[in-house]
Amino acid sequence: AQSVTQLDSHVSVSEGTPVLLRCNYSSSYSPSLFWYVQHPNKGLQLLLKYTSAATLVKGINGFEAEFKKSETSFHLTKPSAHMSDAAEYFCVVSDPYFGNEKLTFGTGTRLTIIP
Amino acid sequence: DAGVTQSPTHLIKTRGQQVTLRCSPKSGHDTVSWYQQALGQGPQFIFQYYEEEERQRGNFPDRFSGHQFPNYSSELNVNALLLGDSALYLCASSTGVRVEQYFGPGTRLTVT
Repeated sequence: AQSVTQLDSHVSVSEGTPVLLRCNYSSSYSPSLFWYVQHPNKGLQLLLKYTSAATLVKGINGFEAEFKKSETSFHLTKPSAHMSDAAEYFCVVSDPYFGNEKLTFGTGTRLTIIP
Repeated sequence: DAGVTQSPTHLIKTRGQQVTLRCSPKSGHDTVSWYQQALGQGPQFIFQYYEEEERQRGNFPDRFSGHQFPNYSSELNVNALLLGDSALYLCASSTGVRVEQYFGPGTRLTVT
């Protein structure tokens, strides 16, 4: 079965410093991987996706993620944090073998930005 | 171009009652998926509809049922509500040729 593990439930960084949110995945086949962001009392917004093309994926708002098959990881990074980045971030896997487009979410990482 | 819309925004029901939540997909999308997000947790997949048929189902009891209409909009029905059904219910739409799903703002259901 497919699954994702977000290694940190909370991450705090100072404004202007780099952000690293860690995610490991488990999938029997070549997965699609996503990062979604959820601001308080809002729905989920797609940040970026990996679908077996380039392993370094660029998303919106300066975020990017690197797919590393050997490490089964898909960590999210941003060079310089902004106050507006404070939110909940979800790493998500979709494995076509188990059903087209079913998404399996991690438990989330809450990102806090220190002024 | 309107995104995914859901109604109502908030809903308060009593244990044992039934509830219907509604979703309109993003323009051009033909697939609708429903997710339940309990407080402090990641969303859990309930089921997915395509061509008016339930195509996949997550680990939810039969009290949870759905429907998709010819215009691709969808309803989620929950019968015999339990306190544990209190959650944010998210609808997501997609197309058959792209893997990403786009989410609506959700319906906050409170069961008392």
